[in-house]
Amino acid sequence: QKEVEQNSGPLSVPEGAIASLNCTYSDRVSQSFFWYRQYSGKSPELIMSIYSNGDKEDGRFTAQLNKASQYVSLLIRDSQPSDSATYLCAASGGGADGLTFGKGTHLIIQP
Amino acid sequence: GAGVSQTPSNKVTEKGKYVELRCDPISGHTALYWYRQSLGQGPEFLIYFQGTGAADDSGLPNDRFFAVRPEGSVSTLKIQRTERGDSAVYLCASSSKTVSLIANTQYFGPGTRLTVL
Repeated sequence: QKEVEQNSGPLSVPEGAIASLNCTYSDRVSQSFFWYRQYSGKSPELIMSIYSNGDKEDGRFTAQLNKASQYVSLLIRDSQPSDSATYLCAASGGGADGLTFGKGTHLIIQP
Repeated sequence: GAGVSQTPSNKVTEKGKYVELRCDPISGHTALYWYRQSLGQGPEFLIYFQGTGAADDSGLPNDRFFAVRPEGSVSTLKIQRTERGDSAVYLCASSSKTVSLIANTQYFGPGTRLTVL
């Protein structure tokens, strides 16, 4: 059974610091990985996608993938109060497969 | 352009009733997905369509749940004999056609909050 594990938090980070969010997955055939941000009462919004081992940077966000360790992470630099949300990690077998989500990590950026 | 839309935004029903939830995907997106999200949980995959056919319905919890996409665009999720445990937010997502093993991004609609009394 495919599983994606995340620490539910809350993870509290001071404004301006780096927030580090982690995720592990069980299915070795997973090919694609996604980080979604979800504000309370809203639907998930894509932040980053990553398919290859290593780092991928987009503005203040960096996704990291290590397929050997089955580990995905998201770093948020210069954290802002508006980054406070639940961050969902998702894995896909590839193609048009449905996503397997973790429970999400609740991130709080303290002003 | 317009994103994924879902109607109704909220649905309150009584135990044992039948409900239909509608999803209108992003124009041109051939893949459509239904997920269910309970409080404090991540979205749980239910079913996905490629065009008009259900390519994977392995996530449907039981035979009370059924979904259709007759013309390859709008989809309806149907729940018969609703139970209190069906209460959740039902999310729809769509993505463009996949041409490789790399998964295309799924874009989510605002969801329908279903409450079964």
